[in-house]
This record gives sequence, C-alpha cells and structure tokens, in this order.
Amino acid sequence: GAGVSQSPSNKVTEKGKDVELRCDPISGHTALYWYRQRLGQGLEFLIYFQGNSAPDKSGLPSDRFSAERTGESVSTLTIQRTQQEDSAVYLCASSLEVGYGYTFGSGTRLTVV
Amino acid sequence: RKEVEQDPGPFNVPEGATVAFNCTYSNSASQSFFWYRQDCRKEPKLLMSVYSSGNEDGRFTAQLNRASQYISLLIRDSKLSDSATYLCVVNIGQNFVFGPGTRLSVLP
Repeated sequence: GAGVSQSPSNKVTEKGKDVELRCDPISGHTALYWYRQRLGQGLEFLIYFQGNSAPDKSGLPSDRFSAERTGESVSTLTIQRTQQEDSAVYLCASSLEVGYGYTFGSGTRLTVV
Repeated sequence: RKEVEQDPGPFNVPEGATVAFNCTYSNSASQSFFWYRQDCRKEPKLLMSVYSSGNEDGRFTAQLNRASQYISLLIRDSKLSDSATYLCVVNIGQNFVFGPGTRLSVLP
C-alpha cells in the first residue's frame, strides 16, 4: 500500500479483555516498530522487527504484551487482560531498513474502561 | 541522563520569527538522526534527516555536532502552519529513541 495502515483506528474494550492491533507496513519495508503514546506524553518504544531477525522486545512493558510479524508483512500487537493504564495510542512505523527515516501509521486509539 | 533530551518548550513565537530547537543524546555511537513533527492528535511525520555536514530544506536547517552530541533544528520565517511538536529521534543500536518533543506555537 501507499502508507502504513493500522486497524482498528479506535478500540474501546473492557478491563480484563484481550485486544489485537494490526499493522500493515509499506510494501518492501523490512523494519517495523511499535510505539505507545499516552495522552500528552512522548513516544514509548515497544518492539522492533527487522527482516527475519529475532525481534527486539526490550520495550514491552509486561508479559501481557506480545507481538508477531510474518516475514516482512503484517504485524499484530496483542495485549492480554487489558488494564486501564494500557489506554493510549499505539503507533506502528515501518522503514526500508534500519538507518532510514520511517513512516508512521495513523495509530490505534485504545481505551480501556 | 536520559537517552534523548530536548528543550522543554513551549516556544511561542510571532509569524516570521526564526526559532531554534536543540536536542542532546547520550550514546556516542549513535549514527542516525532525524527530526519529526507531530500535530495534535496525529501521528509523527518525518521532517528531515540530519546529516553530518548539516542539511537544509527550504526554511528548515538541521545541524549535527558529534563532539557535543547534539543536533539542532532551525526554522526561519516561521508560519502559522509550523505550529506542532518537534521530535528529535536518535538511533541507539538497532532501535530509535524519540525525545519528549518541543512544542512550537506560531502566533499571528
């Protein structure tokens, strides 16, 4: 596609439920990143995928968070047993490879009630 | 010390003013640097990469000082549409770390 596509754009879920967020990177982009941005805060790194290398999961805040990516295509971020503090905008970005500037999707706004 | 730090802001400047933002980084091995802008409730968008020799794109000039580990962004003849949060991005290994951002408001 022309840009990074994320779905859903908005998600409201009840505390304790699991959610799955999806990211479609720009075709051909080998690097994919997930970030979280709470209201009025900066971007918080979550996880990074580069080609077929093992992902860098160092930013995942707890074991309730996991992410997968199949090859150089779609990635899903899963949050299990959601908590209110998980409410944020989850942003996905992709780049041609590490070292290049990357393009963000418009994000998924998650609200846990 | 945080990995990437920026001027706290906010910067409120009149139209036509020149404004400069600074960003410092802690990892001397960092090689890639970018400036992004983020409008309210929108995703960040790449403004420009920062090259060792410095680079200019229209009214925007980016500089890198490796010895002092800082990068800067200069905006000349600021426009109302320049109002946004400006984010400094630095690689730490394979990862990219965002600074907290500096908010700019250009006033009529």
